[in-house]
Amino acid sequence: KQEVTQIPAALSVPEGENLVLNCSFTDSAIYNLQWFRQDPGKGLTSLLLIQSSQREQTSGRLNASLDKSSGRSTLYIAASQPGDSATYLCAVRILTGGGNKLTFGTGTQLKVEL
Amino acid sequence: ETGVTQTPRHLVMGMTNKKSLKCEQHLGHNAMYWYKQSAKKPLELMFVYNFKEQTENNSVPSRFSPECPNSSHLFLHLHTLQPEDSALYLCASSQAGTSGTYEQFFGPGTRLTVL
Repeated sequence: KQEVTQIPAALSVPEGENLVLNCSFTDSAIYNLQWFRQDPGKGLTSLLLIQSSQREQTSGRLNASLDKSSGRSTLYIAASQPGDSATYLCAVRILTGGGNKLTFGTGTQLKVEL
Repeated sequence: ETGVTQTPRHLVMGMTNKKSLKCEQHLGHNAMYWYKQSAKKPLELMFVYNFKEQTENNSVPSRFSPECPNSSHLFLHLHTLQPEDSALYLCASSQAGTSGTYEQFFGPGTRLTVL
């Protein structure tokens, strides 16, 4: 059974700092990996998706890497801002007979302080 | 409207009530999903529909009954719920098929409280 772990569970940093969020998964036979952002009481916003054949994806100040063989992904946020405060979720996707299935981690709650 | 919408956004119901959650996607997708998000727990997949057919039921109790009348609409019918069913219920959609990323797009969720 696939398990996804995110470390740390919570993180508080001053504005402007670069930071790294970690995600690990137990079964490396994934199709792709997706990073999401969730604001309190809201739905999920997709940030980056990395196919299993890719090493990294970038969007603005965000960079996600994937090491499939070791079961790890990182989300790098450059020059953090208070608006980045949210919970960041990592999810791995496998293909099933009926389509696909996402398994989520419990998230890293990020607070960026002025 | 764009993206994935869910109504109502908040719902309070008693254990004997019957209510329904609605999800609508405006992305032209043909796969839809229900997830449950409880406090301090990872999102749990409940149901998957591909081309209006249910392809996954993740051992969900029968007091939750999904319905997918077409590729754009998904309902979750609720009856005789328990207080532990209180959670944020999220709907998502994606493009089904044999290729592509299957990237899922989420709605804002329905915050359900069962008294």
